[in-house]
Amino acid sequence: DIQMTQSPSSLSASVGDRVTITCQASQDISNYLNWYQQKPGKAPKLLIYDASNLETGVPSRFSGSGSGTDFTFTISSLQPEDIATYYCQQYDNLPRTFGPGTKVDIK
Amino acid sequence: QVQLVQSGAEVKKPGASVKVSCKASGYTFTSYGISWVRQAPGQGLEWMGWISAYNGNTNYAQKLQGRVTMTTDTSTSTAYMELRSLRSDDTAVYYCARDLKGAIAVATFDYWGQGTLVTVSS
Repeated sequence: DIQMTQSPSSLSASVGDRVTITCQASQDISNYLNWYQQKPGKAPKLLIYDASNLETGVPSRFSGSGSGTDFTFTISSLQPEDIATYYCQQYDNLPRTFGPGTKVDIK
Repeated sequence: QVQLVQSGAEVKKPGASVKVSCKASGYTFTSYGISWVRQAPGQGLEWMGWISAYNGNTNYAQKLQGRVTMTTDTSTSTAYMELRSLRSDDTAVYYCARDLKGAIAVATFDYWGQGTLVTVSS
C-alpha cells in the first residue's frame, strides 16, 4: 500500500496568515492526489483534485501543487471558517489511502 | 443538486452484521461509482472499497476482503455496504462518496453522504 504522510500534524495561525501543509507519498504517484477539508462532525469536502485543480465553488485562497512524491497545499490568507482538518489522498494505486490529517486552528 | 443520504445510526453486538444504505439523487446514478470510507472515533479516513453503479464491478480493501459486500439497486439509486463479523474496532462513522471521474474510476470523491455511525459493543 502507498503510505501518505503529512506535516505538520497540527498548526495554529492568525487570520490572514499564509498556511502551508505538505504531503509525501511513499512512492511516485504522478499528480494523482486530492485534498479534502473536514470540519468537526461533518463529512469531508473535496477542495483540490489532480494535485492542483480547484474544485468548483471552492475559494481561490486554496491551492495545491506538486507531483511525484511531494505535494503542497496552501491557504493564502487564513479565514476563521477554514478551521478544520485537512487530508491528502492518493489514487495512483489501490487501495486508495489518505494522509493522517493536519488540524488547523486560529491562534 | 447532488445528494447522498445515508441510513441512520446502528448499534450492533460483536459478531453481528450491519448494512448501511446510501440513496443518491440529483444525478444519473449509473454514470458514477460509489466508494465507502470509514472514520473511527478521533481517527483519520480509511477507504473501504468501491462499486461501479454502471456495471456492479467492485474493489475492496484487502483488510476487509471476505467481510464486506457492496451492492447497488439501480431502480432506487441506492448503494449498500454490508459488513459482517463485526468487531469493536469496526466502530466508526461510515461514509459513502461519489466518484468525480465517472462509473469506472476509483479516484476522487466529490460528493459525500452525511455519515452513519456504527457502534459495535457487547
